[in-house]
Amino acid sequence: QKEVEQDPGPLSVPEGAIVSLNCTYSNSAFQYFMWYRQYSRKGPELLMYTYSSGNKEDGRFTAQVDKSSKYISLFIRDSQPSDSATYLCAMSARTGANNLFFGTGTRLTVIP
Amino acid sequence: DGGITQSPKYLFRKEGQNVTLSCEQNLNHDAMYWYRQDPGQGLRLIYYSQIVNDFQKGDIAEGYSVSREKKESFPLTVTSAQKNPTAFYLCATQRDRGGSPLHFGNGTRLTVT
Repeated sequence: QKEVEQDPGPLSVPEGAIVSLNCTYSNSAFQYFMWYRQYSRKGPELLMYTYSSGNKEDGRFTAQVDKSSKYISLFIRDSQPSDSATYLCAMSARTGANNLFFGTGTRLTVIP
Repeated sequence: DGGITQSPKYLFRKEGQNVTLSCEQNLNHDAMYWYRQDPGQGLRLIYYSQIVNDFQKGDIAEGYSVSREKKESFPLTVTSAQKNPTAFYLCATQRDRGGSPLHFGNGTRLTVT
């Protein structure tokens, strides 16, 4: 079983839709959670960074962490064509990224 | 202009040749990392360095080598021993070990024929 599971998609939604992206994990020691956005032929860009459980909002983006279910989500409200990218989740049990585990990424397309 | 610079963006080499990918940062971050990204496999850690003159193997270090002579620079050499070197290579930095996230460069696409 992989440490982190992420549905690869692809996911296509119309412009303005609410998008939900999810990852599940198996290691209950994970406490740092990240979402990255990666455009084609570019490096991943940090979108959200959370510690432990709860919600974090930044503009149209909301990250949720449910440690009891070992489940994290990224919601995108009022999705735009510019949101079309691959979204990667990542998580770590402790400090130091030599223990960082990534999902394989979900490819999202927002159709105008 | 602060950030992480990877060069070149695209690199083509013949099989059997060693090739070095450059990664430079002016963020003053302590730690630097090299990842390889292949379709459907996500990111895999090749090497990382948390201080100058020290580095550690990641999950897929075979066929790769690195050096960390300066804080700003962490070059990756893909040797002829790497059996499947064609991939997208990403360099990342981390401010410190206090739980801070990784920041990535824009990658180098290496094609070996």
